[in-house]
Amino acid sequence: GAVVSQHPSWVICKSGTSVKIECRSLDFQATTMFWYRQFPKQSLMLMATSNEGSKATYEQGVEKDKFLINHASLTLSTLTVTSAHPEDSSFYICSARKDRGYTSSSYEQYFGPGTRLTVT
Amino acid sequence: SQQGEEDPQALSIQEGENATMNCSYKTSINNLQWYRQNSGRGLVHLILIRSNEREKHSGRLRVTLDTSKKSSSLLITASRAADTASYFCATDAVRKYGNKLVFGAGTILRVKS
Repeated sequence: GAVVSQHPSWVICKSGTSVKIECRSLDFQATTMFWYRQFPKQSLMLMATSNEGSKATYEQGVEKDKFLINHASLTLSTLTVTSAHPEDSSFYICSARKDRGYTSSSYEQYFGPGTRLTVT
Repeated sequence: SQQGEEDPQALSIQEGENATMNCSYKTSINNLQWYRQNSGRGLVHLILIRSNEREKHSGRLRVTLDTSKKSSSLLITASRAADTASYFCATDAVRKYGNKLVFGAGTILRVKS
């Protein structure tokens, strides 16, 4: 199977600092990675789509200057929460898409275990 | 809104009973997927049904898809306490600039032993 890891699994930081979260596809190359945010007892909200070698595409309402995404290689995407505030406390989940190669709709998306961010 | 609708929002059943969760969505899709999430944990992929399929089975899971009604259902038969989790549908929607997976609001399932 395909494995996606996230690091760290949890982080506590002080208000005003920046936090970087890494997402790695361990045994496959990911042309596209996605970042989601999940508040307690809510669903996953897509924040942005990250494509290797190009700028990320952000969903409406997501501040690109606050949530910096870098997809430097086919196996690594990072999300940096800049100047974090308590309202940024959430569960951040990444996923990596593996193209199965036969049709554009036939891909599989694998999810990381999530990173719990608490901003104090 | 990014999200489709799921109902019920919460479901509590006895072990051994069947659980049915429904999902509705708004746009044309390539496929629809169901995921499970235990509290505070990551997602587990359960099943994928393509837009040209109407029903799919996997173990105790049965998924139906009605593209004319833009709806899907997930049936878990002979439920177990270990099935207690949140269940989400996610649509792989047809979009102009690349596909992306959009999640429904989720159903919290509690199976009592």
